[in-house]
Amino acid sequence: NAGVMQNPRHLVRRRGQEARLRCSPMKGHSHVYWYRQLPEEGLKFMVYLQKENIIDESGMPKERFSAEFPKEGPSILRIQQVVRGDSAAYFCASSPAGQRGNTIYFGEGSWLTVV
Amino acid sequence: AQSVAQPEDQVNVAEGNPLTVKCTYSVSGNPYLFWYVQYPNRGLQFLLKYITGDNLVKGSYGFEAEFNKSQTSFHLKKPSALVSDSALYFCAVRDNSGAGSYQLTFGKGTKLSVIP
Repeated sequence: NAGVMQNPRHLVRRRGQEARLRCSPMKGHSHVYWYRQLPEEGLKFMVYLQKENIIDESGMPKERFSAEFPKEGPSILRIQQVVRGDSAAYFCASSPAGQRGNTIYFGEGSWLTVV
Repeated sequence: AQSVAQPEDQVNVAEGNPLTVKCTYSVSGNPYLFWYVQYPNRGLQFLLKYITGDNLVKGSYGFEAEFNKSQTSFHLKKPSALVSDSALYFCAVRDNSGAGSYQLTFGKGTKLSVIP
């Protein structure tokens, strides 16, 4: 019973490059969330998606960041033209549906380092 | 807007002693409340949640939490701490009203150190 799968676990990018982080939700889950954790800080909500639909992107930076969850395949968080401030752990989470009482299960995270 | 406060950055407790990690919340409607634990360089693991019903919620690894509506608190407790409980603990809240956000909002975390 695989959990939320994220890859890569660690990613190093030079300033100006693109970073793509992938997330496969738990089996049977149709809702995906992305969170960012900066050093010594808590988790900050970025975006909430269901397949082919962005439900809430209020936490996404206005520029350079985008997310998708296609009908087939994993959810992708894309960061264009990365800067040092993008260095963080990015966590994907999933839930079976949109009911607010559902537990959200997290993946192991993708650690992005921008050099 | 919804928010969570974890007033202690760090809690130290001796092995075998009871532990408490504090959490207070703010939502416009009624809350759904969650506790997660994070070990170094790992993801968050779900411990327990309060949705409705009994104010005392029991979860994984012997942890429990008590929902107190009047004090808007949801403190995490364990009767006897283990060294292996040392980790970062996050409290989170979600508004259960239809007008509220679907976001799960987290506190900043409390680092628990259990001393042998």
